[in-house]
Amino acid sequence: GAGVSQSPRYKVAKRGQDVALRCDPISGHVSLFWYQQALGQGPEFLTYFQNEAQLDKSGLPSDRFFAERPEGSVSTLKIQRTQQEDSAVYLCASSLVRGVTYNEQFFGPGTRLTVL
Amino acid sequence: AQKVTQAQTEISVVEKEDVTLDCVYETRDTTYYLFWYKQPPSGELVFLIRRNSFDEQNEISGRYSWNFQKSTSSFNFTITASQVVDSAVYFCALSGTGKNSGYSTLTFGKGTMLLVSP
Repeated sequence: GAGVSQSPRYKVAKRGQDVALRCDPISGHVSLFWYQQALGQGPEFLTYFQNEAQLDKSGLPSDRFFAERPEGSVSTLKIQRTQQEDSAVYLCASSLVRGVTYNEQFFGPGTRLTVL
Repeated sequence: AQKVTQAQTEISVVEKEDVTLDCVYETRDTTYYLFWYKQPPSGELVFLIRRNSFDEQNEISGRYSWNFQKSTSSFNFTITASQVVDSAVYFCALSGTGKNSGYSTLTFGKGTMLLVSP
């Protein structure tokens, strides 16, 4: 497809379960970002990849959160032992080039995670 | 640290009214970019406009216009002759320099929900 895709669109997990969220960026985009958007809030930065390298994971809320992009394309955000406070929409964004502050980020539709 | 404040939580207007969404930002960067994104009920963030810190010229693009004032750290967004399809949450965002200065991340405000009724 032409845009960023994410799957699943909705995920319901029981507390303590592990979940994996997938992001397919726009083909050829070097940069990939993950954001977390709690209900009624703006998106907050989680982590950044430049190709396969994870250059910044300062926004990951705990060591239960793990992200990877092994081949520099598809990325997976994994949350272990989910907690209720993990309930949020997880947004993935990609951009064509690395660096530069004007670089437009294209967002996917997000995965809405609900932890019961 | 960077911060974006959108003081308006929700705005309701009647179709064809003009509406202005306020945004105030804080940053220590000398070079930065400001953005407005729209998030319809489907959830996807849609890019609307971008402005860099060196250019305070205000522009109009169709029904959208923006007022960037560095002196007051404000980047307000106006929709002229609003339409029902404009109903969405609007986010103001600020680009920042990543920790290694080789990339940027976006800092978002909390959003303003715009409701346009017929």
